Amino acid sequence: DTGVSQDPRHKITKRGQNVTFRCDPISEHNRLYWYRQTLGQGPEFLTYFQNEAQLEKSRLLSDRFSAERPKGSFSTLEIQRTEQGDSAMYLCASTYGFGVDEQFFGPGTRLTVL
Amino acid sequence: KQEVTQIPAALSVPEGENLVLNCSFTDSAIYNLQWFRQDPGKGLTSLLLIQSSQREQTSGRLNASLDKSSGRSTLYIAASQPGDSATYLCAVRIQGAQKLVFGQGTRLTINP
Repeated sequence: DTGVSQDPRHKITKRGQNVTFRCDPISEHNRLYWYRQTLGQGPEFLTYFQNEAQLEKSRLLSDRFSAERPKGSFSTLEIQRTEQGDSAMYLCASTYGFGVDEQFFGPGTRLTVL
Repeated sequence: KQEVTQIPAALSVPEGENLVLNCSFTDSAIYNLQWFRQDPGKGLTSLLLIQSSQREQTSGRLNASLDKSSGRSTLYIAASQPGDSATYLCAVRIQGAQKLVFGQGTRLTINP
């Protein structure tokens, strides 16, 4: 198992365009999380899934953001009508969902909105 | 609302020194605490996880301690090396919640 993977690693888009990011968690991890990190700050929680169910969403996740995890495997995060304030690193993490429950993070997707 | 603070924001030390990074949190009802390392432009690498019932964890040259009652954790790095240069983040998971709440990080520079 190679860990959490994210695609793309970098995305540059123009304001108003839609973008979609993908996260593949560590296999057999039941829980999947999305965080956003702006320059010089710690990551902030956006949302998490237990299998295919989205169980919690942060108030940071405006109605322009939507996340899915069909079949409880990979997840996608879509941002519609991007704004310059959406420029950030989007990080995905996964855990088994029981026991020690250590969160393992992917390499992130760096989004730049021009 | 849980708040996590890391002081100092930046630290520069010569190679070979032992050093301590600090993390404080406002709500002591935590499930666990994780320390991460982040290299510029990269994702987070988990270094140590301390369960709420534990006082410390060790991995190689790293030792993390937890004092829940005072809302503090420290990350001790022994015999620092230039390769230790990175941003170190602590994060707490509150009891009954799944998300991690992060501090802003300490940017560490080890000078050869």
